[in-house]
Amino acid sequence: AQTVTQSQPEMSVQEAETVTLSCTYDTSESDYYLFWYKQPPSRQMILVIRQEAYKQQNATENRFSVNFQKAAKSFSLKISDSQLGDAAMYFCAYRSASADKLIFGTGTRLQVFP
Amino acid sequence: DVKVTQSSRYLVKRTGEKVFLECVQDMDHENMFWYRQDPGLGLRLIYFSYDVKMKEKGDIPEGYSVSREKKERFSLILESASTNQTSMYLCASSLYTGGRSGGYTFGSGTRLTVV
Repeated sequence: AQTVTQSQPEMSVQEAETVTLSCTYDTSESDYYLFWYKQPPSRQMILVIRQEAYKQQNATENRFSVNFQKAAKSFSLKISDSQLGDAAMYFCAYRSASADKLIFGTGTRLQVFP
Repeated sequence: DVKVTQSSRYLVKRTGEKVFLECVQDMDHENMFWYRQDPGLGLRLIYFSYDVKMKEKGDIPEGYSVSREKKERFSLILESASTNQTSMYLCASSLYTGGRSGGYTFGSGTRLTVV
C-alpha cells in the first residue's frame, strides 16, 4: 500500500523568506501524481501545486515550487517570498494513475512571522 | 464558481444517535469522497463513490456507511455515534479521470462533536 510521510509537524518562517516543507512517499508504481494542498483556518482545502511522476521537470506555480526526486521518492515544497497569507496546514498527497483516490500525509503547520 | 457544499459547519450529537452528514456538488463530478481529519493523522479516507448507488470502502469504514442516490449528493451516516467519531469530516469530489490527473474540490468541512 502507498504511504505519504510528512516528518515536520510544524514549521515557521519570517515574512519574505523562503521555507521548504518535506514529503516522502512509498509506492511500487511508476505512474502517479503528487499534490500539495493548503488548508487555511477557513478549512477550505486549496490545491497549491501538482506534479506528474512521468515529468522530470519540477512544477512551479508563482512563489511555489517543488523538488521532485523520483528515485528518492521525495517531493518537497518550496515557498519563496513567504507572505502572512501562506500561514496554513499543508498536506502532501499521492494519487496512483490507476485510481482516483488521494492518499494524504499527516500535514505540516506553517507559521509566518512578520 | 464550482462548489462542494457540506450542510453543517458545526454539529453536536449525543452518543448513540444516528447522524447524517450531507455533501452536495454542482460540478457533475462522478467521484465523491468522505475523509476524516484528525490532528497528527492527516486525512483518512472513509468511503468513496464512483457513481450513483456505487460505494467503496476506504481505509477506515468501520462505524460508517454512505448513500449516493443522486449524482450530486453523497451522504455519510454514523449509525450509532460514538465519542471516538468526534472529528472534522471533509467531503470532496472529482471528475472520473481514467488515469489522468484530476484534482479534487473540497467542501469546507463539518466539525462533529459527539458527547
